[in-house]
Amino acid sequence: TQLLEQSPQFLSIQEGENLTVYCNSSSVFSSLQWYRQEPGEGPVLLVTVVTGGEVKKLKRLTFQFGDARKDSSLHITAAQPGDTGLYLCAGGTGSNYKLTFGKGTLLTVNP
Amino acid sequence: NAGVTQTPKFQVLKTGQSMTLQCAQDMNHEYMSWYRQDPGMGLRLIHYSVGAGITDQGEVPNGYNVSRSTTEDFPLRLLSAAPSQTSVYFCASSPGQWSVAQHFGDGTRLSIL
Repeated sequence: TQLLEQSPQFLSIQEGENLTVYCNSSSVFSSLQWYRQEPGEGPVLLVTVVTGGEVKKLKRLTFQFGDARKDSSLHITAAQPGDTGLYLCAGGTGSNYKLTFGKGTLLTVNP
Repeated sequence: NAGVTQTPKFQVLKTGQSMTLQCAQDMNHEYMSWYRQDPGMGLRLIHYSVGAGITDQGEVPNGYNVSRSTTEDFPLRLLSAAPSQTSVYFCASSPGQWSVAQHFGDGTRLSIL
């Protein structure tokens, strides 16, 4: 069974601060995805990374896939209240379409 | 674009009752799946389908049945509801072969009394 450990589980910060969320596993994944989920809604895909060492930027969000494709990080610069939500990482393997999800990081950005 | 549509949004059942959660997608995606989300447990895969007529079990399949007669629809059936099945259920779809990125519905919040 493949597991994805996310840390921290909860994060409460002030507007303007920077933060990093981590997603770690002992297994190798062919792709790693990050989702954001707001209360009462389904998760929404933010990014997919597929190459070891890959870095992708989405405005103030920077995503990195580890060289060994076992871990990933999400860095948010100058957080805003609109960034508040549950951030989920999910790993996929090349042999099937099943995703393994981490338990999520609940981020609260206070104005 | 409707995307992935789940009905109902909320449901309360009594223990032992059966019901079907509906899921439809209009993106012609091959792959569809059902997850349940519980506090502290994250999203867990119940059943999935890689195309019409093909289904398989995920991580927590017991107590649930699925079928996939069309590309668009993927209903989830609770055979005899139990309080442990109280959860938020999400249906998701993806193009499949070249992308595993999931498009999620807004969920069905199910309470079993």
